[in-house]
Amino acid sequence: DTGVSQDPRHKITKRGQNVTFRCDPISEHNRLYWYRQTLGQGPEFLTYFQNEAQLEKSRLLSDRFSAERPKGSFSTLEIQRTEQGDSAMYLCASSPRGLPETQYFGPGTRLLVL
Amino acid sequence: DAKTTQPPSMDCAEGRAANLPCNHSTISGNEYVYWYRQIHSQGPQYIIHGLKNNETNEMASLIITEDRKSSTLILPHATLRDTAVYYCIVLSYSGAGSYQLTFGKGTKLSVIP
Repeated sequence: DTGVSQDPRHKITKRGQNVTFRCDPISEHNRLYWYRQTLGQGPEFLTYFQNEAQLEKSRLLSDRFSAERPKGSFSTLEIQRTEQGDSAMYLCASSPRGLPETQYFGPGTRLLVL
Repeated sequence: DAKTTQPPSMDCAEGRAANLPCNHSTISGNEYVYWYRQIHSQGPQYIIHGLKNNETNEMASLIITEDRKSSTLILPHATLRDTAVYYCIVLSYSGAGSYQLTFGKGTKLSVIP
């Protein structure tokens, strides 16, 4: 399968713990996005990478959140000191060069903070 | 960002065509209309996009009005597996480097046996 993959698919953690999610985009896609989706809502943009550069961050991305894409391939999203409000589906999408830009999503990581 | 308006829910009989409308009256001339769907507990799936002309692919057809203020996604022969939330999105440049997708609440399509 050559689609976007995310790991883990599910994560249960206790409030105050740190968690890290991984996203592997489609090969050669230089653009990578992270979104968050809470129950009953559509996905909301969190952050954007072009190659290894993080070019844009949403105000939703508090200082407890950090994302990296060190070699312009896979990306990680870390949440420090998790809170119950962080419980959500975290989605990764990638897109190739060129316009218009079509984003392809991974299956998501569902986080539950107890 | 150009806003979109979709009905919250629709039903369609299995085997019939599903026609999902979307209003985007504030769309700019160079903004694309994208459709995604999300089956329960899965990531959004790209369906189709268009600018001015009608488009068709193996999944669906997209009809865009001449004034571009509305569009319709057509699933020609709906199956039970097409039951999902369908999102109509106007792809806009953020001004800071990204073409982030702004999802609304979408239309929940239920295909009835």
